[in-house]
Amino acid sequence: NAGVTQTPKFQVLKTGQSMTLQCAQDMNHEYMSWYRQDPGMGLRLIHYSVGAGITDQGEVPNGYNVSRSTTEDFPLRLLSAAPSQTSVYFCASSYRVYTGELFFGEGSRLTVL
Amino acid sequence: QKEVEQDPGPLSVPEGAIVSLNCTYSNSAFQYFMWYRQYSRKGPELLMYTYSSGNKEDGRFTAQVDKSSKYISLFIRDSQPSDSATYLCAMTAGNRDDKIIFGKGTRLHILP
Repeated sequence: NAGVTQTPKFQVLKTGQSMTLQCAQDMNHEYMSWYRQDPGMGLRLIHYSVGAGITDQGEVPNGYNVSRSTTEDFPLRLLSAAPSQTSVYFCASSYRVYTGELFFGEGSRLTVL
Repeated sequence: QKEVEQDPGPLSVPEGAIVSLNCTYSNSAFQYFMWYRQYSRKGPELLMYTYSSGNKEDGRFTAQVDKSSKYISLFIRDSQPSDSATYLCAMTAGNRDDKIIFGKGTRLHILP
């Protein structure tokens, strides 16, 4: 029973490099989302998707792109990494987002030098 | 005024004590109230879920919602060292386009 799987768990980038954080869920959830968690800032929504082919911006979308070509996968792309994107990133999914029952992945810890 | 306020702690209590964690909110439209538990270097996991006002009990955990005061609480009875974690409250109005609003979390330490 995998749930929400994120890869990689740790990554170090140099400023200006690009990378993709992968997220996959095996629960057939419609809703998937990406959060970043920073000390003192709590969880902040980056992008979300309510189904395959549909994505929308959250609270802090700048510098990030997403796509949702399948129900299972929701990758997060950093186009040109900046030190301000150093954070822990969580992918979360839900069968019905409006009830607030989210299933989170283990997190991806990203450091941008 | 922030939509959801939560004391960051840390809160340290001795093993066996009753723990009370709280959040206040400003949006009267919120209908769904959640508590997530997050262990160090792990993702949050849903601990308690309540719809509208009232109490919900699950083992040693009780979630309480007072919509008239815009105040929610999580009580932990007979606290254990394994309860040491960060507890995040979350809430949403429950419509399809509504976002889930999280508190910043309270760090809890249960002292053996």
